[in-house]
Amino acid sequence: QSVLTQPPSASGTPGQRVTISCSGSSSNIGSNTVNWYQQLPGTAPKLLIYSNNQRPSGVPDRFSGSKSGTSASLAISGLQSEDEADYYCAAWDDSLNGFWVFGGGTKLTVL
Amino acid sequence: QLQLQESGPGLVKPSETLSLTCTVSGGSISSSSYYWGWIRQPPGKGLEWIGSIYYSGSTYYNPSLKSRVTISVDTSKNQFSLKLSSVTAADTAVYYCARLNLLWLQIHFDYWGQGTLVTVSS
Repeated sequence: QSVLTQPPSASGTPGQRVTISCSGSSSNIGSNTVNWYQQLPGTAPKLLIYSNNQRPSGVPDRFSGSKSGTSASLAISGLQSEDEADYYCAAWDDSLNGFWVFGGGTKLTVL
Repeated sequence: QLQLQESGPGLVKPSETLSLTCTVSGGSISSSSYYWGWIRQPPGKGLEWIGSIYYSGSTYYNPSLKSRVTISVDTSKNQFSLKLSSVTAADTAVYYCARLNLLWLQIHFDYWGQGTLVTVSS
């Protein structure tokens, strides 16, 4: 069971806007920034969003992130077929001596 | 362009030690702006952070794996390595190495290797 909670699946039609949630606690999301990763089938994860809402160079502005309290969200607007992938949230957890935690992942299907 | 490449045996026997190396090219592992880490993904499952290391040798480990994990760095070879002892079938996974970017304290894994599948089986 993952420390960060994500819905196992999400779906949308081309052009739609979808959001994926990530719920944590005061020791992780509540006190640290959230990163999001996109994993296309059979490939390594790719950084999508860092520091809650920052996009690395090359990531389309269709992807956006936000954080409020102990939860975070990834939004994808203008959904495209190539967005079909697994999405993971991640944050540093301050408990014990500190460690990175990931969400269980959300499989996004473009209908 | 920074590249990371995992290498090591794809098959390990139960109770033995899993050993992997990550070779970094296109950049120096000795930069003060980065840590380097290992993350794994069991087949069909999510991501799990194993641990991270600084070029100086300072390490952080996942508490759930700490008793079995050793991560080391060889700056002369621009490599860092993972050893996981007493493996079981539950350690079967794709193992990724990645760079942890500390820039401006907006900390995130920004470059990943392609991953290597390690199967634990007799």
